[in-house]
Amino acid sequence: DTEVTQTPKHLVMGMTNKKSLKCEQHMGHRAMYWYKQKAKKPPELMFVYSYEKLSINESVPSRFSPECPNSSLLNLHLHALQPEDSALYLCASSRPGLAKETQYFGPGTRLLVL
Amino acid sequence: AQKVTQAQTEISVVEKEDVTLDCVYETRDTTYYLFWYKQPPSGELVFLIRRNSFDEQNEISGRYSWNFQKSTSSFNFTITASQVVDSAVYFCALKDSNYQLIWGAGTKLIIKP
Repeated sequence: DTEVTQTPKHLVMGMTNKKSLKCEQHMGHRAMYWYKQKAKKPPELMFVYSYEKLSINESVPSRFSPECPNSSLLNLHLHALQPEDSALYLCASSRPGLAKETQYFGPGTRLLVL
Repeated sequence: AQKVTQAQTEISVVEKEDVTLDCVYETRDTTYYLFWYKQPPSGELVFLIRRNSFDEQNEISGRYSWNFQKSTSSFNFTITASQVVDSAVYFCALKDSNYQLIWGAGTKLIIKP
């Protein structure tokens, strides 16, 4: 079962709102990722968690706050976003530690910031 | 420095035609991994194949085939007898000792009925 689920599928929020994106996987993977993808561009890595610890933060603004409550769940808390943050947010998971490991992606959350 | 180039921004063919998507990569590492992903309009990135740098055998999976050539640093993807459901953006990606995926710009494939 190579399934990663993400909720919600779509989200519209104002610049003063606080919302959260959720990601879940049951493949026993211990590495989880958040990517941001703008239209007609490849995904950009935002955060990597390995064994529930944040291992990579690609200089993402503090209005994005990741959280990994357990080995199956990954959240992305959003606060005071800007219209340019509108994008597709993708979650992925993989076995950790080795370059050969394949990342499996969820369906994404389409975020619109007004 | 690592880099992945997908020079074809968009390809449009009629159904049942064969189509090849090009991918050229750069890395200084001798051990690296190459990937292809498919992204249909729904948005999900679907993993298609992983190839390591020591395995130059070509791979075939149904209508899909991949041609890996280290001599030209290329990892091309061919769809035989294309179908409308193959319409998507296809990304080629590289992972080496840096452990992060380096993505190509993607090729949008349009299959017309």
